Parts: sequence; structure tokens; C-alpha cells
Amino acid sequence: DARVTQTPRHKVTEMGQEVTMRCQPILGHNTVFWYRQTMMQGLELLAYFRNRAPLDDSGMPKDRFSAEMPDATLATLKIQPSEPRDSAVYFCASGLVLGGKGDEQFFGPGTRLTVL
Amino acid sequence: SQKIEQNSEALNIQEGKTATLTCNYTNYSPAYLQWYRQDPGRGPVFLLLIRENEKEKRKERLKVTFDTTLKQSLFHITASQPADSATYLCAPDTGRRALTFGSGTRLQVQP
Repeated sequence: DARVTQTPRHKVTEMGQEVTMRCQPILGHNTVFWYRQTMMQGLELLAYFRNRAPLDDSGMPKDRFSAEMPDATLATLKIQPSEPRDSAVYFCASGLVLGGKGDEQFFGPGTRLTVL
Repeated sequence: SQKIEQNSEALNIQEGKTATLTCNYTNYSPAYLQWYRQDPGRGPVFLLLIRENEKEKRKERLKVTFDTTLKQSLFHITASQPADSATYLCAPDTGRRALTFGSGTRLQVQP
């Protein structure tokens, strides 16, 4: 049963610390998305990659957030330094986008981040 | 700016009735629109995709309509069951093979 995995599932850290979240997309998927979900803002797209190349990261605060795909099986989202306003659930999703097909996204279970 | 509106108030219905959820969008013309279901503490799960040239799409007890003139999509669950209770998210595409999600409508089906 193929699924997106995310680690860690929960993270509590102090303001100013670096946080790294990891995502393993479904094998064979060519597109990876990072989202952030809060009660106030809902589900926001932070960045996404296709075939490991970044396509759009306009949703990310550039000064502290960075997203990378070191290889096809791993996507990372890093926050440095973290701030209390970064507290949220971070979701990774993957999909197979080919021509006019696909586009449905498969979400991981999320990383619940609390910055004190 | 692009805006997506879903009814923020919870929808409460009796088991067996049809639930109808509304998604309105402004300031853009998506080529397709998706609906997702989200349960507490979990990631969204894909339900249906409807393209701009399709008026209606069905999957089992689910039906989605897409009116590009009204800029609106309706999501129907027929013969609703308590297990259908969840938050339903509307997600039009942004034109770049990515999605913008609405804030979701929480559906509560009473037995």
C-alpha cells in the first residue's frame, strides 16, 4: 500500500532553533508539494517540485524557510531560525503529473510543529 | 487576488439525506477543480476531480458539478452516513498544475 511518509510526526522546539522536516513521496511520483495548515490560514502551498526541480516557492518566507529534494525519494523542508508563528501542521503531498492526466495529490500524515 | 470561499459554518444533516457543499471562487479561471476529505489529525484525501469542460462527475454516492459561468462547484453526498462526517476541501488549480485550497466545510451527519 503506497503512501507518503513524513518524519517527525511531532516536533516541539524553542524559538531560534533549526527544524528539519522530511518527506518520502510515493515511488514513481514526479511532483512533491509542501503545505502548511493552521486554523487561521487553512492549507497554504509553500513550495513544490517536479522531477526534483523547484517550480514555485513563492508561498515560503524566503529568509527562514528552505525546501530541497536531494534525491527522488526524499524532500526536506527546513526552518532556520524557527519562530512561534511557524507553529502549524506541515504536510507533504506527492502526485504523478503527466501531460493532461493525474493531478490528484496524495498527502502524508503531517508534521505537527510547535515552536515555544 | 484569487479567492476561494467555502461555507465556514458546519453543515449538520440527518443520516440518509443529501449533503450539498458549495465552493465559490473569484478572480481566476481554473482548468480543473478537486475535492478532498480531511479527518481530524490526518492529511487530506483526494475524492474527485472535475475539468472545466465537464459539467458533472460522479463516483458512487458522490457528485460534483462545475459551473464556470457562476464560478462555482457543488459537492453532493447522497444517502449520507455518519462515516461521511469530516471536513471537505475544495481545491481549484492555479494554472500551474498546483492547487489552492479553500478553508473547508465541516460536515456532521447525525444518526
